[in-house]
Amino acid sequence: AQSVTQLDSQVPVFEEAPVELRCNYSSSVSVYLFWYVQYPNQGLQLLLKYLSGSTLVKGINGFEAEFNKSQTSFHLRKPSVHISDTAEYFCAVTITGGGNKLTFGTGTQLKVEL
Amino acid sequence: DAGVIQSPRHEVTEMGQEVTLRCKPISGHNSLFWYRQTMMRGLELLIYFNNNVPIDDSGMPEDRFSAKMPNASFSTLKIQPSEPRDSAVYFCASSPTGQGGTTNEKLFFGSGTQLSVL
Repeated sequence: AQSVTQLDSQVPVFEEAPVELRCNYSSSVSVYLFWYVQYPNQGLQLLLKYLSGSTLVKGINGFEAEFNKSQTSFHLRKPSVHISDTAEYFCAVTITGGGNKLTFGTGTQLKVEL
Repeated sequence: DAGVIQSPRHEVTEMGQEVTLRCKPISGHNSLFWYRQTMMRGLELLIYFNNNVPIDDSGMPEDRFSAKMPNASFSTLKIQPSEPRDSAVYFCASSPTGQGGTTNEKLFFGSGTQLSVL
């Protein structure tokens, strides 16, 4: 079965600084990878996804992620964060042909400070 | 579109009572998912349906949990009897992906039901 590890439970960062949220996955077969964001008291929203093709994926709100097959990673980055980016971020994986059955990581709380 | 609609938004009940959570997926979406979120275990997939048929219920924790999807526009998750350890946020999500995951479109999540079992 596939799994996802998010190494950091909390990441504090100052506004306008760059940020990287780490995600590593484990699977014996090909995967699709996703990043979702959860704002307080809301459901999750898709930030970006990697299905195939270019390993650098750009998403909404200026976020991007790079799929690295050799390191089994899919880290999320943003060059300059804003206070409104404060939220919980979830990495998720599904196997190809998995019918959208996602396995989520435990989440990383991003706290942007002034 | 109003998005995925869940009700109630909050539910407080006593141990032993029956709890029913409701979900209306986005019209036209043929996959529906129930997730549970807790601090300890994060987001767990409980069950998912495709074209109203349960495809995978391996995440349902116990026989106390049951889910139904009588039609394409409605699903319920029932806990009977409820226990304090069932306290969590329960999310419903839907997607337009067909069985087999040929397109892997994104999931659209509802705002969740915060369940507290005393």
